[in-house]
Amino acid sequence: AQSVAQPEDQVNVAEGNPLTVKCTYSVSGNPYLFWYVQYPNRGLQFLLKYITGDNLVKGSYGFEAEFNKSQTSFHLKKPSALVSDSALYFCAVRDGNTDKLIFGTGTRLQVFP
Amino acid sequence: GAGVSQSPRYKVTKRGQDVALRCDPISGHVSLYWYRQALGQGPEFLTYFNYEAQQDKSGLPNDRFSAERPEGSISTLTIQRTEQRDSAMYRCASSLRDRGYNEQFFGPGTRLTVL
Repeated sequence: AQSVAQPEDQVNVAEGNPLTVKCTYSVSGNPYLFWYVQYPNRGLQFLLKYITGDNLVKGSYGFEAEFNKSQTSFHLKKPSALVSDSALYFCAVRDGNTDKLIFGTGTRLQVFP
Repeated sequence: GAGVSQSPRYKVTKRGQDVALRCDPISGHVSLYWYRQALGQGPEFLTYFNYEAQQDKSGLPNDRFSAERPEGSISTLTIQRTEQRDSAMYRCASSLRDRGYNEQFFGPGTRLTVL
């Protein structure tokens, strides 16, 4: 069965420092992987996706993610964090049998000034 | 362009009442999805449609939950005889087509509270 794990409930980083939010996955077949961000009192916003091709995927707001097949990981990264990046981040994988997304439990990113 | 809209944004109801939650997808999007998100958790799949056809309802927790999309656009998720455990955020999403590489765009959600 497809699954996604986000091992960290919370990540704290100082503004201006690089950030990483971790995600590992388990799928049968080729993975379609996604990152979403949730700001308070707002819906989930799509950040980026990996379908095929380059292992480094660039997305919205300066975020990028690195797909690593051997480690079954899809970590979200940003070279220089902003206070406004503070939010809840979800990693998701498409179920291989249907089109539903399977989400991780989320990681709260806190960027301190 | 308008995104996915949901109404109501907040719904408080008494146990045993029926509720209907509405989702209006992005214009032209073929696929529409319903998810439920408990506090502190990621969204969990309920059901999805292509046009008016319900493709997968494996995530609906029991027969009190149903969904329809009669004209292939607006969808309604109905919960009959609500129970306190139904309290959650209900999220709707749409995508161009049910191809795995298409991202799903989410609405703001409906916060349901069952007293």
